[in-house]
Amino acid sequence: EIVVTQSPGTLSLSPGERATLSCRASQSVSSSSLAWYQQKPGQAPRLLMYGASNRATGIPDRFSGSGSGTDFTLTISRLEPEDFAVYYCQQYGGSFTFGPGTKVDIK
Amino acid sequence: QVQLVQSGAEVKKPGASVKVSCKASGYIFTGYYIHWVRQAPGQGLEWMGWINLNSGGTNYAQNFQGRVTMSRDTSIRTAYMEVRGLFSDDTAVYYCARETGLAVAGPFDYWGQGTLVTVSS
Repeated sequence: EIVVTQSPGTLSLSPGERATLSCRASQSVSSSSLAWYQQKPGQAPRLLMYGASNRATGIPDRFSGSGSGTDFTLTISRLEPEDFAVYYCQQYGGSFTFGPGTKVDIK
Repeated sequence: QVQLVQSGAEVKKPGASVKVSCKASGYIFTGYYIHWVRQAPGQGLEWMGWINLNSGGTNYAQNFQGRVTMSRDTSIRTAYMEVRGLFSDDTAVYYCARETGLAVAGPFDYWGQGTLVTVSS
């Protein structure tokens, strides 16, 4: 099973700042089969990115993803108030596993 | 528009079973896989398994093999997930989610609203 880890656990930032979230897989993820989800309290997760660097439908371009192999990054260029949430990465190249999440909260 | 609507909250005693439904609309039902993901209170997302809505084939995460059954009724466009032998640790919100991939695995683009299952004596 591919184990996925995320860092940091919590990121405290102010609106307008840049957020950089990391995701690491225990084995190389085939075909960059890596997705990012955003989850707000009381809501289901929402797909943000897939294939490591492709934005899902309706996702603003302040969100970007990069990486390959075992190391991936989600970047939010300028945080908007609605971006404060928990972010999960998921690999779907070898079965399906989620990382433990990174909480982005207001500093 | 694509929608996944899940059944309502459940309260069960330890050792009981629960069956959660997920009714799909707005797309070709049998053209996709449905996955089930659970989230314990204050915790992260845990993948449970998938069902191929066309063939009915299933694949369960190792942690749930032997205790979970996923099924579907194509006539009413509904997928089901049953957990048997419930423990208090099974208290969680259970989500169904549609996978974008078919021939090749893909991410989950639509999610149900979640069903809270509480296991308590």
